[in-house]
Amino acid sequence: DVLMTQTPVSLPVSLGGQVSISCRSSQSLVHSDGNTYLHWYLQKPGQSPQLLIYRVSNRFSGVPDRFSGSGSGTDFTLKISRVEPEDLGVYYCLQSTHFPYTFGAGTKLELK
Amino acid sequence: QVTLKESGPGILQPSQTLSLTCTFSGFSLSTYGMGVGWIRQPSGKGLEWLANIWWDDDKYYNPSLKNRLTISKDTSNNQAFLKITNVDTADTATYYCARIANYWGQGVMVTVSS
Repeated sequence: DVLMTQTPVSLPVSLGGQVSISCRSSQSLVHSDGNTYLHWYLQKPGQSPQLLIYRVSNRFSGVPDRFSGSGSGTDFTLKISRVEPEDLGVYYCLQSTHFPYTFGAGTKLELK
Repeated sequence: QVTLKESGPGILQPSQTLSLTCTFSGFSLSTYGMGVGWIRQPSGKGLEWLANIWWDDDKYYNPSLKNRLTISKDTSNNQAFLKITNVDTADTATYYCARIANYWGQGVMVTVSS
């Protein structure tokens, strides 16, 4: 299985601040079709995960441009600028290049 | 508008078979490229992807659950199903279905207890 190492585990932030979350995979996530299937989700308390970024850097419908994704190969980053209260929760990366799909362990974004 | 909703038994006993249903709208599993997956999350823990089924009936199972999983679909009724045999307390979790990999259902809690 592809191991997804997500850091940090906890990320204290002030409202209006900027943060980055890292996700590293144990093998390349470049698919044979040329795409890289690395996605980012936010899970708010009591809710199901919601897609923020798909295929590394594409914002999903309705996701504000405060969220941006970057990276390639095995090293990926989610950046959140101008953090707002509704951004708090647990962030997960997911790779769907190799089956079984695997998630990072999560990063909890919380107020300082 | 894409929606998915899971349903299940709520509680079952060890060694029984867990049967889950995902009822969806806003897309068809007969459309080229469409797929539905099942994911689970024990309370307070991380996410585990269990199985996929695709528009062409191709299926993938997480080897960690060995031969306990069966995924299927009813295209006419916009449903996907997951069965897990011989459940144990370790299978206690919230189970989600998702249109791969964007829209998720709200999840259904399943407790395995004697």
